[in-house]
Amino acid sequence: AQTVTQSQPEMSVQEAETVTLSCTYDTSESDYYLFWYKQPPSRQMILVIRQEAYKQQNATENRFSVNFQKAAKSFSLKISDSQLGDAAMYFCAYRAYTGTASKLTFGTGTRLQVTL
Amino acid sequence: GAGVSQSPSNKVTEKGKDVELRCDPISGHTALYWYRQSLGQGLEFLIYFQGNSAPDKSGLPSDRFSAERTGGSVSTLTIQRTQQEDSAVYLCASSSGADQETQYFGPGTRLLVL
Repeated sequence: AQTVTQSQPEMSVQEAETVTLSCTYDTSESDYYLFWYKQPPSRQMILVIRQEAYKQQNATENRFSVNFQKAAKSFSLKISDSQLGDAAMYFCAYRAYTGTASKLTFGTGTRLQVTL
Repeated sequence: GAGVSQSPSNKVTEKGKDVELRCDPISGHTALYWYRQSLGQGLEFLIYFQGNSAPDKSGLPSDRFSAERTGGSVSTLTIQRTQQEDSAVYLCASSSGADQETQYFGPGTRLLVL
């Protein structure tokens, strides 16, 4: 079974600084997707960024980028120029490529605090 | 268009009662998922529906949990004879046939069993 591990329960970053959230996963599949979701206090899960395993290029979305190391099964999220609105729980998630809909497997999350 | 909606937003019930949680997916989305988020935990998969195929129920924790999806749209998650350990946030997500990889989530229903 696939597992996702987030080893940092909490992280803190100063406004305008850069922070990296770690995620490792375990799978025997070669094709899959990886995601970072953000969950603010409103509970709404918001997609931050996604990576297809077959793509060597790291995904980037504005201030958010990932460092995808397929061999090491590592998928870290870098947030640049951190803003107060970035404070939230961040979940790393894995989805096998099945050609159709299938479930996400989530890590336990990292709570990010942004300080002035 | 509108996102995924869920109702009620919060639900308080007594142990032993049945509850129904509703999810209205994004219009046109063929896949619908239910997840459970217990306090301080990640999300745990419960069940998903894909078009007219038989649902994947592999994540349901006990036979007290069931779900249905009527007309390929709205879904109801039913918990019978609720227990205190059922207290959690229940999140629904949907995905489209054109972009099966990305799931879009609703705001969740917070269930508290007293």
